[in-house]
Amino acid sequence: EADIYQTPRYLVIGTGKKITLECSQTMGHDKMYWYQQDPGMELHLIHYSYGVNSTEKGDLSSESTVSRIRTEHFPLTLESARPSHTSQYLCASSEPRGTGKRTDTQYFGPGTRLTVL
Amino acid sequence: AQTVTQSQPEMSVQEAETVTLSCTYDTSESDYYLFWYKQPPSRQMILVIRQEAYKQQNATENRFSVNFQKAAKSFSLKISDSQLGDAAMYFCAYESQGAQKLVFGQGTRLTINP
Repeated sequence: EADIYQTPRYLVIGTGKKITLECSQTMGHDKMYWYQQDPGMELHLIHYSYGVNSTEKGDLSSESTVSRIRTEHFPLTLESARPSHTSQYLCASSEPRGTGKRTDTQYFGPGTRLTVL
Repeated sequence: AQTVTQSQPEMSVQEAETVTLSCTYDTSESDYYLFWYKQPPSRQMILVIRQEAYKQQNATENRFSVNFQKAAKSFSLKISDSQLGDAAMYFCAYESQGAQKLVFGQGTRLTINP
């Protein structure tokens, strides 16, 4: 079944640690996104990618970095986690407009809730 | 820059009743897309309904329908025959034709009372 996966679902880690949040999708989507969401609040786009070797920063400044070496995989890395990074991180992907659709419906993963102590 | 505003942080409705969630947006563009997403307590966001600005007809998906008022830049979501499973955070989102990125509103937490 085509889907979008995120691991881990929950992560509690100490300050200064390097972490990588994984995101994979099996839908063959070219476009992928990372959002940051504080509990009960709106989503803010922090990174996006339109395809392999393409990455862009989103509207909200973030100290995290991303890579897109494979179509299905879009990991997010924090080199040195800090308490200010505590948040929920949501990954999403969408269909390319070349499929005949005028707009992209974004499909979201379950999220990773990150707590930095 | 486009902005999306949801003025109702919380709403509640009795089961089987109808509820309307409000959303307004600000844009200078004429061609864009609007979405309602649902985020249940388990946190996975799912698409409820979408509307293309060039279409005058309001979108409907089963019990969910929208009232799209382009001139007023308003995009409300109506949920008919509310069910307990409808309890969630609802986010209104905007996507411009060129940007291919979503701008989200602040969300409305919907509670269904049995």
